[in-house]
This record gives sequence, C-alpha cells and structure tokens, in this order.
Amino acid sequence: GDSVTQMEGPVTLSEEAFLTINCTYTATGYPSLFWYVQYPGEGLQLLLKATKADDKGSNKGFEATYRKETTSFHLEKGSVQVSDSAVYFCALSDLGGGADGLTFGKGTHLIIQP
Amino acid sequence: GAVVSQHPSRVICKSGTSVKIECRSLDFQATTMFWYRQFPKQSLMLMATSNEGSKATYEQGVEKDKFLINHASLTLSTLTVTSAHPEDSSFYICSARDDRAQNSPLHFGNGTRLTVT
Repeated sequence: GDSVTQMEGPVTLSEEAFLTINCTYTATGYPSLFWYVQYPGEGLQLLLKATKADDKGSNKGFEATYRKETTSFHLEKGSVQVSDSAVYFCALSDLGGGADGLTFGKGTHLIIQP
Repeated sequence: GAVVSQHPSRVICKSGTSVKIECRSLDFQATTMFWYRQFPKQSLMLMATSNEGSKATYEQGVEKDKFLINHASLTLSTLTVTSAHPEDSSFYICSARDDRAQNSPLHFGNGTRLTVT
C-alpha cells in the first residue's frame, strides 16, 4: 500500500535559518503530493501541492518539488520565522490511499527560536 | 477560499455523558466529509467517512455505536461520542471536499479538543 515517510522531529532552528524537511513516499499509482501545516491547537491547512513530476509547489516562502526519480517531496524555506513553528505533514493522494484519498506522514514538529 | 467550521473548539465532559461535534462547510456543499482522531504528537487517524443521506463508513477498529455520525445536509456532519470515557479524550478533526471540485484537496476544520474527566 501507499506510505509516506517524514524525518522525525522536533526540528529546532534559529530564526532566518534554512529549512529542509525530508519526505519520501511509496505509491501504487501516480500520486499527487501535498504539504499540510498544523499550527498549535488548530486543524490542518494546505500549504502547497504538486500533481506531477517536476512540479514545484510554493506558498508563503515554502517550496517543494515533486521528484519522481527519488520519490521525494522535500519541503524547503530559505529563511524561517518564529511564526513558522508548527507541525508539518507530508501527504499523498492516490488510488491506493484511504477513503479520504490521503495517506499522511507522521508529521514533523518544527520549532523556530528567536 | 473554502472554509470548514468545526464546533466546539474545546469541550470538557464527564465520563458517561455524550458529546456532539459539528462540522460545517461554510461556502460549499460536501456530500462527503471525513472524521479523524489525532493523538498527541501523532498523525491523523481516519475514523470514518460521513455520507450525506446514507450511513457512515467506519474504518476498521472504530466502534460505530461509540462514534455516531450523522450527515443530515450537504453542509453539516456531526460526530457524537457516546458514553464518553477518559480514553476518548483526544483531538478530533473533520474535513470536507467541495462537491464542485472532486479532485481538489480536502479542507480541514480547526479541530475539537475533547477532554473526558
């Protein structure tokens, strides 16, 4: 079945540091890939997505490129802010996913210190 | 953008009582909504699929008599935790997909923190 693997957290960085959160996947078909963000005490918000190989999703300074050859969708940001502190979930949508069509990674807790 | 409103955001109840959580799509219709449970520092666990006008579909291991789901309209699904016990304390999240865009990503509510004392 489908699966998503993310680097385990927490990831602690200083403000303005460069961020990379790794995400790799296995899928039976040709999935769409997503990054969701969950701020403390809130639900999930879609951060960015990519639907085919070599697509780059971007939003709020975050970027991720769909790499089919390495089955990866790493999240990057050039200069993080304290307000970026949250839990980030990598997810894929494929025919092999759950009833909601999504397979989530376990989440990576990001802590940005001033 | 599409908004899913979940209410209440926090609820504390006594063991043995029932709690109802509402999930509304505010500016779109959703024939299908989803309910999740999230344990601390864990990912979301899909509990059930809520279908407007028909019975909910529960994931393996989820007690349907414990977690009652009603999807009475195209904009409202409710999850009722019946005879709640402390082990039911958790963060519950709903999501919905716009009927007009079946390939669009899911829209999530802000979650409900349930504490059973």
